[in-house]
Amino acid sequence: QKEVEQDPGPLSVPEGAIVSLNCTYSNSAFQYFMWYRQYSRKGPELLMYTYSSGNKEDGRFTAQVDKSSKYISLFIRDSQPSDSATYLCAMRENTDKLIFGTGTRLQVFP
Amino acid sequence: DSGVTQTPKHLITATGQRVTLRCSPRSGDLSVYWYQQSLDQGLQFLIQYYNGEERAKGNILERFSAQQFPDLHSELNLSSLELGDSALYFCASSVDAGTGADTQYFGPGTRLTVL
Repeated sequence: QKEVEQDPGPLSVPEGAIVSLNCTYSNSAFQYFMWYRQYSRKGPELLMYTYSSGNKEDGRFTAQVDKSSKYISLFIRDSQPSDSATYLCAMRENTDKLIFGTGTRLQVFP
Repeated sequence: DSGVTQTPKHLITATGQRVTLRCSPRSGDLSVYWYQQSLDQGLQFLIQYYNGEERAKGNILERFSAQQFPDLHSELNLSSLELGDSALYFCASSVDAGTGADTQYFGPGTRLTVL
């Protein structure tokens, strides 16, 4: 079993929809949780960063962490075609080694 | 643009050969990380250097090695290349090592194709 599980998708939604992306994990020592966005043939770009449990909002993006369930989510409101990308969750203990999910491919069509 | 630069963008080589990938971190960042991204394995952490010293090792093969130079740029050396080494190789950098709020910024990657 992988330390971090992420549904690979693809997820296809119409413009304006609310998108929910999720990851589950098995290591209870993870404390820092991130979401990266990766466009085709580009490097991952940091979207959201959360420490421990709770919610964090940034514009159209909301990250949620539920450590009791070992479950993290990223919500995208009013999705746009420019949001079409692969979304990677990543997490780590109190060290620098990031463990990534395999990524969910999102397609937002006009 | 993350501020992390990687060269070359693309590399095509043959099995058994050796290649060197180069990374320049963001200005002020002391840590450099190397990752391999393949279709079946996703993003895998290979190795981390902090201010010239190896700090952490992940799933790095013995045929692979890395170093960080005094000017903080880093090189990843891949030798005795196999078809399965074909992948995207990313470098990331961060300000510090071991601090909770530290975040990693990724370069554009080097696409390696082994024929």
